[in-house]
Amino acid sequence: GDSVTQMEGPVTLSEEAFLTINCTYTATGYPSLFWYVQYPGEGLQLLLKATKADDKGSNKGFEATYRKETTSFHLEKGSVQVSDSAVYFCALPNSGYSTLTFGKGTMLLVSP
Amino acid sequence: DGGITQSPKYLFRKEGQNVTLSCEQNLNHDAMYWYRQDPGQGLRLIYYSQIVNDFQKGDIAEGYSVSREKKESFPLTVTSAQKNPTAFYLCASSPGDEQFFGPGTRLTVL
Repeated sequence: GDSVTQMEGPVTLSEEAFLTINCTYTATGYPSLFWYVQYPGEGLQLLLKATKADDKGSNKGFEATYRKETTSFHLEKGSVQVSDSAVYFCALPNSGYSTLTFGKGTMLLVSP
Repeated sequence: DGGITQSPKYLFRKEGQNVTLSCEQNLNHDAMYWYRQDPGQGLRLIYYSQIVNDFQKGDIAEGYSVSREKKESFPLTVTSAQKNPTAFYLCASSPGDEQFFGPGTRLTVL
């Protein structure tokens, strides 16, 4: 079945450091891929998405490229801020497209 | 403004009582979802509905019930049969594959 594997956290960085959160997936076909972000005590917000292979999604300085060769969708940001501290979820639609399969989430902690 | 509202934000109940969590959306989305999130855990799907008057069980439906009488509304009832109901509950809606989430309800059973 469809699945998503994310690197375990927490990821602890200093402000202005480079961020990578790894996400790999198994899926039937080439579904859209998503990154969601959850700030403490809140719901999830869509951070970025890519709808086909080689697409790059970007938003708020974050980027992720849909790599079908490596079945990956790693999240990157060149310079993190304290306000980026949150939990990040990688997700894809299941094969029936009726629900999303989420990774377990990766907590990011950024210190000043 | 279009969006998803969940109420209340915090909810306290005594053990053995049923409780209903509200979820309303004005995005005109057909599909709606309920998830449970425990501390340090990912999301687990409880129930989902793709159209009015129809819904399907997710991965952890036992002890929960839902209804979908209107397109805009998808309330979740946590029954006394749910052994460990204290958690953060998230509602979402979707026009296709992307999902939009509400702010969540934190349920604490005393």
